[in-house]
Amino acid sequence: KAGVTQTPRYLIKTRGQQVTLSCSPISGHRSVSWYQQTPGQGLQFLFEYFSETQRNKGNFPGRFSGRQFSNSRSEMNVSTLELGDSALYLCASTQDLGGYTFGSGTRLTVV
Amino acid sequence: SQQGEEDPQALSIQEGENATMNCSYKTSINNLQWYRQNSGRGLVHLILIRSNEREKHSGRLRVTLDTSKKSSSLLITASRAADTASYFCATRETSGSRLTFGEGTQLTVNP
Repeated sequence: KAGVTQTPRYLIKTRGQQVTLSCSPISGHRSVSWYQQTPGQGLQFLFEYFSETQRNKGNFPGRFSGRQFSNSRSEMNVSTLELGDSALYLCASTQDLGGYTFGSGTRLTVV
Repeated sequence: SQQGEEDPQALSIQEGENATMNCSYKTSINNLQWYRQNSGRGLVHLILIRSNEREKHSGRLRVTLDTSKKSSSLLITASRAADTASYFCATRETSGSRLTFGEGTQLTVNP
């Protein structure tokens, strides 16, 4: 079956702009989580969506937001981009309390 | 913030040797998972151990969990050059659905 698909793979944006990243989970997985990975902070949890509802949220400013659609696809949005937002953004889906399947990530560079 | 710590931060061994990585965490958990990441790509789920389990095997992988010490170890036996990657432990707390990652161990297996 198809894995978790994240688009785009790479993105370059200018400070102050906004960006939207997309994630298509594995078919049947209703939980989608987003993580930010940077060399300095490691892997940090952004938020989790389950059945179109945000179930959990990490310690990120309100500039980071997300949503989930009825087909479980999810998007995350970052507004007013800062240089420090440059990171690998990873999406993961899971069916239950088992392991997560991660996408290949979106590499965001803010210049 | 990271829940736990992993050691060593980096490990370099020869092909055929065993590699052991350790992970410590701070809160009560539902399960602990190990992931592998190649060169800044997505994470691959390796193995999950539940809080009521003490040891689990999967192929060349052996994971132990000591909830009294809040620690886990991952053993890779008969390592191969293809095992070169970063390895992360992640905990799923009893009170929530997020994964909290350790800082990771960079494993290099020399041919």
